[in-house]
Amino acid sequence: GDSVTQMEGPVTLSEEAFLTINCTYTATGYPSLFWYVQYPGEGLQLLLKATKADDKGSNKGFEATYRKETTSFHLEKGSVQVSDSAVYFCALSATYGQNFVFGPGTRLSVLP
Amino acid sequence: DAMVIQNPRYQVTQFGKPVTLSCSQTLNHNVMYWYQQKSSQAPKLLFHYYDKDFNNEADTPDNFQSRRPNTSFCFLDIRSPGLGDAAMYLCATSRELGEQFFGPGTRLTVL
Repeated sequence: GDSVTQMEGPVTLSEEAFLTINCTYTATGYPSLFWYVQYPGEGLQLLLKATKADDKGSNKGFEATYRKETTSFHLEKGSVQVSDSAVYFCALSATYGQNFVFGPGTRLSVLP
Repeated sequence: DAMVIQNPRYQVTQFGKPVTLSCSQTLNHNVMYWYQQKSSQAPKLLFHYYDKDFNNEADTPDNFQSRRPNTSFCFLDIRSPGLGDAAMYLCATSRELGEQFFGPGTRLTVL
C-alpha cells in the first residue's frame, strides 16, 4: 500500500540555521504531496503542496519540490526561527485528496 | 473567517461513560473526516462522510460512531471509552476529495 517515510526526529537547530526534513513516499500512480505543520496543542495546518512532478510548493519561507525520480518531497527552509518549532508531517493522497497517508511526523525545536 | 471549529477543546470523561465530540465548519465543504491522534504519532483516519455517505475505515473499532445531521456539523460518539481511547481527536473537511482543512482538535482524557 501507499506509505510515507520521514526522517526521525527530534531535530534541534539554532535560530537562522538551514533546515531539511527528508520525506520519501511509495505510491501507485501519481500522488499529490503535502506538508502539514502542527504547533503544540493545535490541529494540523497545510504548509505547502505539490500536485505533479517537478512542482515546487512554497509558503512562509518553506519549500519542497516533488521529485518523481527519487520519490521524494523534502522540506527546506533557509533560516529557521524559534516560532517554527512544531511537528511537521509529510502526506500524500493517491488521487488528489483521497486516502490521505501521513508520515510519522518530525518534531523540530529551534533554539534562540 | 471560514473555519473548522471543534468543541470542546478539552474533554474529560470516565471509563465507560459515553462521550460526544462536536465539529462544525463554515467552509461549506461536502466531505468531513474524523482522525484520532495519539501522542507523537501521525493522525489516524477513523471515518469520513462524503456528503451523506458514511465511510468507515476497516480497522476503526465499533466503539466509535459518527453522525452528520447536516452539511455543517459532524459528531463523533464514543460509546464506551476505554483508557486506550485517550487521544487528540481531529476533525477535517474538504471540498470533494481535495486538500483537507483541520480544526484545532479536542483532547480527550479518560479517567
